[in-house]
Amino acid sequence: GAVVSQHPSWVICKSGTSVKIECRSLDFQATTMFWYRQFPKQSLMLMATSNEGSKATYEQGVEKDKFLINHASLTLSTLTVTSAHPEDSSFYICSVSRGEQYFGPGTRLTVT
Amino acid sequence: GDSVTQMEGPVTLSEEAFLTINCTYTATGYPSLFWYVQYPGEGLQLLLKATKADDKGSNKGFEATYRKETTSFHLEKGSVQVSDSAVYFCANAGGTSYGKLTFGQGTILTVHP
Repeated sequence: GAVVSQHPSWVICKSGTSVKIECRSLDFQATTMFWYRQFPKQSLMLMATSNEGSKATYEQGVEKDKFLINHASLTLSTLTVTSAHPEDSSFYICSVSRGEQYFGPGTRLTVT
Repeated sequence: GDSVTQMEGPVTLSEEAFLTINCTYTATGYPSLFWYVQYPGEGLQLLLKATKADDKGSNKGFEATYRKETTSFHLEKGSVQVSDSAVYFCANAGGTSYGKLTFGQGTILTVHP
């Protein structure tokens, strides 16, 4: 398997500010990580595929300028929500691809 | 495109009852199919998987069989426990997009003693 951590586990920020979420692969060098968004009582929606050393691939409808993804090393990918608004409040989950996907515990973002 | 449709919940059962959560999928190619479980306050965990038609995935008493003819991957357990209370997600790694998962909407299961 693979052990994946996320930091922070929850964050509250004010509207208009930016917030960075980290996803770490603790025991595996991951060339590919995925970022998902989960609304309350709803499914996970894939936002983007993060590839180490290259630009992320965003799913249709996801604003790449708003959700900045940086996969600078084989163990770390970051998601930065820029100029956050209340509608960005959600649960953000990352996963590591190692044949199958292994998920982090998620980050709860609340924008006030 | 790929899609997954899960039986709507929530599902409430008594301990030791039989569980079925239906899941059907659409995909091009030959997808791998998964069931993930999310316990309260925790991240998603892989419960079981099947990678080709007629494969049966099993784990912790749960089973699901990959049925290509009915494009289904229904989750079953013969006798549920209170500790099985969680949200269950069916997912499809489409044949043309290896690694990218398409999730069903999730089914909330509550098991009462």
